[in-house]
Amino acid sequence: GQQVMQIPQYQHVQEGEDFTTYCNSSTTLSNIQWYKQRPGGHPVFLIQLVKSGEVKKQKRLTFQFGEAKKNSSLHITATQTTDVGTYFCAGRSTDKLIFGTGTRLQVFP
Amino acid sequence: EPEVTQTPSHQVTQMGQEVILRCVPISNHLYFYWYRQILGQKVEFLVSFYNNEISEKSEIFDDQFSVERPDGSNFTLKIRSTKLEDSAMYFCASRAGRTNSPLHFGNGTRLTVT
Repeated sequence: GQQVMQIPQYQHVQEGEDFTTYCNSSTTLSNIQWYKQRPGGHPVFLIQLVKSGEVKKQKRLTFQFGEAKKNSSLHITATQTTDVGTYFCAGRSTDKLIFGTGTRLQVFP
Repeated sequence: EPEVTQTPSHQVTQMGQEVILRCVPISNHLYFYWYRQILGQKVEFLVSFYNNEISEKSEIFDDQFSVERPDGSNFTLKIRSTKLEDSAMYFCASRAGRTNSPLHFGNGTRLTVT
């Protein structure tokens, strides 16, 4: 079945440093969505990318969708303690959204 | 802003017992889902539900699991005979009818099977 992997599994950064998580799917995706889950919370939708090579920005967050539509990345510039959480990419396969393995971000002040 | 609500927030049950997890999706949404997350692990798809029937289910969703939408607002997940390995956080999610609309998750029910 379809698999969606993310690296790294964990990332610890000093506040102000940048952070990137990479997402790779075993199959071509029609679109990719990104979610953030705060510790003890539920996944919250961040953004959706649809077009090959698409780049979207949300303040300090930059999302990219690969040309082959099999990979994506999320880059956070100048992390803040409020960025702490697990970031999941998710790709749609038929009617279900398959979540990636997630990258847990810890930011030290 | 409308939200998905789940009850209870925490359920403790003995192995072999039946549990029902309840969800009220966002009122105008058409697609409903159950996901589970074992502590510290990824969010795993269980089942999707549309037009009063299951549209897709995963290998995890075996015959011990069932879903129901008994009325116009509730969406339930039943586990007939719980096992220790069913201990996890169970998230309900819903989405609107337009193509590729995002999932809105509830706060989850933490199920502990002892």
